[in-house]
Amino acid sequence: DGGITQSPKYLFRKEGQNVTLSCEQNLNHDAMYWYRQDPGQGLRLIYYSQIVNDFQKGDIAEGYSVSREKKESFPLTVTSAQKNPTAFYLCASSGGGQSQETQYFGPGTRLLVL
Amino acid sequence: EDKVVQSPLSLVVHEGDTVTLNCSYEVTNFRSLLWYKQEKKAPTFLFMLTSSGIEKKSGRLSSILDKKELFSILNITATQTGDSAVYLCARTQGGSEKLVFGKGTKLTVNP
Repeated sequence: DGGITQSPKYLFRKEGQNVTLSCEQNLNHDAMYWYRQDPGQGLRLIYYSQIVNDFQKGDIAEGYSVSREKKESFPLTVTSAQKNPTAFYLCASSGGGQSQETQYFGPGTRLLVL
Repeated sequence: EDKVVQSPLSLVVHEGDTVTLNCSYEVTNFRSLLWYKQEKKAPTFLFMLTSSGIEKKSGRLSSILDKKELFSILNITATQTGDSAVYLCARTQGGSEKLVFGKGTKLTVNP
């Protein structure tokens, strides 16, 4: 089955700790995205990548880092510099066919600070 | 400013009612406007609109885009409790595939 997977479902971070959220897709999509969702805030773009080995900052990139070494994978690291990391993190991908703008989302990772 | 504004932010209706959700935006040079439904986790894709005045329909849901007046609406007829969700509107940013999202409308359908 084609789709996007994210892991873990829940993640707990201690003060000063870096944590990495996984995102994998087997849709053969070129572009991948990371969003943060806070209550009442909608989705805000953290980072996006349109092609392997290339990525750009979104609107709220501070305190986060990404890599795109493989087409299928776009992991997000929440660094200790991100002072308010508690949120729901969504990964998405798009590309291919007639609907290149349509983004498909993974199930999300909820990050909580201990 | 590059904003997408959805209204109302929250709506409570009874089963069988018809609802209209609104999405307005402030720029004219974009390719597509998209609607998503988010229940508990991942937003699921509903519609993509690229042309003004052409209605897209899927069962009890329909949507239309007005590029002159800078808005889109999502209609749901004969609502069911399973329609309870947050409905997100997003438009593409310039000529890119990036999306700018509104804050969503939380719809609650009571039996």
